[in-house]
This record gives sequence, structure tokens and C-alpha cells, in this order.
Amino acid sequence: AQSVAQPEDQVNVAEGNPLTVKCTYSVSGNPYLFWYVQYPNRGLQFLLKYITGDNLVKGSYGFEAEFNKSQTSFHLKKPSALVSDSALYFCAVRDMNTGFQKLVFGTGTRLLVSP
Amino acid sequence: DAGVTQSPTHLIKTRGQQVTLRCSPKSGHDTVSWYQQALGQGPQFIFQYYEEEERQRGNFPDRFSGHQFPNYSSELNVNALLLGDSALYLCASSGLDRMNTEAFFGQGTRLTVV
Repeated sequence: AQSVAQPEDQVNVAEGNPLTVKCTYSVSGNPYLFWYVQYPNRGLQFLLKYITGDNLVKGSYGFEAEFNKSQTSFHLKKPSALVSDSALYFCAVRDMNTGFQKLVFGTGTRLLVSP
Repeated sequence: DAGVTQSPTHLIKTRGQQVTLRCSPKSGHDTVSWYQQALGQGPQFIFQYYEEEERQRGNFPDRFSGHQFPNYSSELNVNALLLGDSALYLCASSGLDRMNTEAFFGQGTRLTVV
């Protein structure tokens, strides 16, 4: 069965500093990995995905993520945080070998960027 | 280009009632999935519709049912509502290359059961 772990409920960072939001996953086959962001009372907004290829994936709004197969991790990063990045971030995985499109999400990490 | 649209945005129902939520997928998308997001949790997969059939189902009881129409829009029906059904219900759509594309989500329907 697929699963995703986001070990931090909240990450606090000062504006201008780099940020990392952690994600580890478990799938029986090869993973498709995604990051989504959710602002208050809104749906999920796609940030980036890893399907295959380069382990460093670049996405929207200056975010990037590094796929590490040996550590089964897909951490979200940004070199310089903005106050407007404050939101709830979800990591999700899909098992590409099953042929199913079901996304399994982590419990989310709240990012708080202080001015 | 309109994204995924859901209606209504908010809904209050009484325990035991039935509810229908609606979703129109992003233009060009033919697959619709529904997720339930309880407060403080990540979204949980309910089911997915493609070619007007339920293709995959998560761990939800039969009280949860759905439908997809020829124009690819979809409905989620929940019967015999329980207090625990209170949640944000998210619809997601994806395109023909379903395995290699990301899902696009609507803004959700906030269901409160009292």
C-alpha cells in the first residue's frame, strides 16, 4: 500500500531564509510524486511533480523538490521564503505500476513565514 | 480557461439527510476523482470516474456514490449523513494522459452535518 509521511506539523522560517518541507513515501512500485499547496478555505494548487528524469524538479513560485530514491524522500525547498508562501503544503504519491490514478496524501505541513 | 468548478461552496445538512455535490472538470479533462478532507487531515480518495464508470474506489462505505455524465461532469452523493461526514469535499480532474499529468483540484465544497 502507498503511504506518505510529513513528519513536521509546522515549519517556521523567517522571510528571505531558505525553507525545507520534508516528505517521505512508500510505494510497492515506482513513484509519481507531487507537491500541492492549500490556502485557507481553498482547494489544492499544484506546485510540482516528479515522474522520471532529473532528481531535482523545479516548479511554480520558485519552489523545487529533490527526489531521493535511496531515502524514499521528496523534500520541498525554496532558496528564499516569502511571507506569501505561508500556507498548508501536502506531499502526495501515486504508484505508477498499478495503473491507478489514486493520490495518497500526507497529513500536511503548515509553513509559517515571518516578516 | 475555466479550471475545476464545484458547487455549492458551502452546505449545511442535518444528520440522516442526503446530499449531492457537483463538479465540472477542467476543459479537456475526462477523468474526475473525489476526495474528502477532514479538518486537520490530508485529502482521502473516495473514488474516480472515467467514461461514466467508477474505476477505482477508496475505503468509503456504500453511502458514498457518484455519477459521471457524458460531458464529463460528475456528482458525489452521500446518503444517511453522519456527523463524521462533515468535511471539505474536493473534486480533481485529469486529462487523457492520466498517468503522467497532475490532477487539478477545485476549490471544494464545505459540508457541515448538524
